[in-house]
Amino acid sequence: EAGVVQSPRYKIIEKKQPVAFWCNPISGHNTLYWYLQNLGQGPELLIRYENEEAVDDSQLPKDRFSAERLKGVDSTLKIQPAELGDSAVYLCASSLFSDTNTGELFFGEGSRLTVL
Amino acid sequence: AQRVTQPEKLLSVFKGAPVELKCNYSYSGSPELFWYVQYSRQRLQLLLRHISRESIKGFTADLNKGETSFHLKKPFAQEEDSAMYYCALSGRGSQGNLIFGKGTKLSVKP
Repeated sequence: EAGVVQSPRYKIIEKKQPVAFWCNPISGHNTLYWYLQNLGQGPELLIRYENEEAVDDSQLPKDRFSAERLKGVDSTLKIQPAELGDSAVYLCASSLFSDTNTGELFFGEGSRLTVL
Repeated sequence: AQRVTQPEKLLSVFKGAPVELKCNYSYSGSPELFWYVQYSRQRLQLLLRHISRESIKGFTADLNKGETSFHLKKPFAQEEDSAMYYCALSGRGSQGNLIFGKGTKLSVKP
């Protein structure tokens, strides 16, 4: 089992350019999360999916961020246009629906974004 | 407001010494508390959860509702315990949305 797979691992772009991150969760995991982790901070939730439905996107800056989880499996997080302050690590995590209240999330290695 | 506070950014101890990583929380209700760990060049992973009352790798954590704390303890630190430790909170009914603290870097010196 490869675990949660994210790509790209690293991305450097200039401000105002678009960027997209991809996540493939653990097979069978209904719940998928995107977290943002700034340097020296803990992860902060951006959006949570139950299957293909975004059930919590209250922290997603919708003016420039968008996400989708077509077919309820893999997911894409997009930023357009990117700003300097978007430089961070974008973490994807997944869990079994039945485990959502036990707190066991399985994280990917993250995608580190640098905006110049 | 829901909040997790880890007052120490860095904690440095010698091998064999006791270690306590502090975590305080703010939540109006009955939260569920967790400790996550990230070893160097590895992904973030669950260490332990308070509902299990388990000891993992010698670590234990007791939920103190009176002091709203969930400190992580180990009586004898090992070098392989060096890592980033994050305390996290989940409110009942929040369907697993975890709120993380800023993390504490534990460094165990030989």
